[in-house]
Amino acid sequence: AQKVTQAQTEISVVEKEDVTLDCVYETRDTTYYLFWYKQPPSGELVFLIRRNSFDEQNEISGRYSWNFQKSTSSFNFTITASQVVDSAVYFCALTSNSGYALNFGKGTSLLVTP
Amino acid sequence: DTAVSQTPKYLVTQMGNDKSIKCEQNLGHDTMYWYKQDSKKFLKIMFSYNNKELIINETVPNRFSPKSPDKAHLNLHINSLELGDSAVYFCASSQDIGPGGNEQFFGPGTRLTVL
Repeated sequence: AQKVTQAQTEISVVEKEDVTLDCVYETRDTTYYLFWYKQPPSGELVFLIRRNSFDEQNEISGRYSWNFQKSTSSFNFTITASQVVDSAVYFCALTSNSGYALNFGKGTSLLVTP
Repeated sequence: DTAVSQTPKYLVTQMGNDKSIKCEQNLGHDTMYWYKQDSKKFLKIMFSYNNKELIINETVPNRFSPKSPDKAHLNLHINSLELGDSAVYFCASSQDIGPGGNEQFFGPGTRLTVL
């Protein structure tokens, strides 16, 4: 069975603060894929990143960065110098070759205030 | 051009009615999905089709029946709607179901409210 845990239900920060969203996953598969999606207040789901289990390199994209650590089964997401437009619900998800659908965590609601 | 589109965006209906939600993708993908997002924002897979064939059918009541007339369309028909069916339904597509954890592209969602 696969499971994704996002322990932080809600996070509130002031603009320009850095914030890290935690994601811990469970799977018995050796090949798996991790994702982050953003759901802004408008409701659509926006793809942010995909990482496979063989690539533990950290990824940076502008103010966004991801830290993948197999040793702790974590795939954490950091927003540097947060902005009001970052306010959204962020979902971590997992899939593998033995299951094709995305298994989502419960999401972390991030509120960035001016 | 919209990659994955859903109609309608909002659907308000009475208990007991039958309704359909349509989904179309113009990405040339082979695989399509339906997810349900409940009031607590939890997203869960309902169905998946690959090349018009059902490959995933989670424990969803048989009042829900997906239909895929072709690879580009996956419609969701719901019979005898119940209050608990109120949710946002997302359609998604991916290139295929092969290994690779293909990125899934999501539609804008359909907010269903059952009164």
